Amino acid sequence: GQNIDQPTEMTATEGAIVQINCTYQTSGFNGLFWYQQHAGEAPTFLSYNVLDGLEEKGRFSSFLSRSKGYSYLLLKELQMKDSASYLCAVKNYGQNFVFGPGTRLSVLP
Amino acid sequence: NAGVTQTPKFQVLKTGQSMTLQCAQDMNHEYMSWYRQDPGMGLRLIHYSVGAGITDQGEVPNGYNVSRSTTEDFPLRLLSAAPSQTSVYFCASSPGGGSGGYTFGSGTRLTVV
Repeated sequence: GQNIDQPTEMTATEGAIVQINCTYQTSGFNGLFWYQQHAGEAPTFLSYNVLDGLEEKGRFSSFLSRSKGYSYLLLKELQMKDSASYLCAVKNYGQNFVFGPGTRLSVLP
Repeated sequence: NAGVTQTPKFQVLKTGQSMTLQCAQDMNHEYMSWYRQDPGMGLRLIHYSVGAGITDQGEVPNGYNVSRSTTEDFPLRLLSAAPSQTSVYFCASSPGGGSGGYTFGSGTRLTVV
């Protein structure tokens, strides 16, 4: 079967650091992706991991451990505009994506 | 470069009506998909295509039909709308390959009454 878990909601303060976790069990693995989705808008690509380790891109970093079926997205120096849903998705060998339910992040002043 | 264009943005249908959601991309992507997004359930794959003339079912295909006559276009047809099809629909395309992520269209918010 295929299953991806993420926390439903998280709250953090402006300027802080937040880590959004994702665990997965999928029938194939061809990379793990993180997307950001603001309310009422389409998801947009944030990051991609296919090998174990940390990928850094500005204020955002993403980590992957394939043996543990685990990833996290790290957001530093939080800004109000980071309030959004963050979607974890696994790409399988058929090029399809399986999405997690998303984590709604609220950044408070 | 327009990316992925979806129309319409909003639609209200009566139960039993049919309609087509349009999707077009200008990035020459081989891979296109349709997803529906419902509260608490994330994005679920309806149908996908790996190239012109090739389509396949995803996780929730019942009540929907697709075709891919060209690389650019991938319309989604609702055959006989039901209230359970009330959702937000996203079309997405990808160049394929390992690092190829999705580019999403802006979405269609569909209500079936």
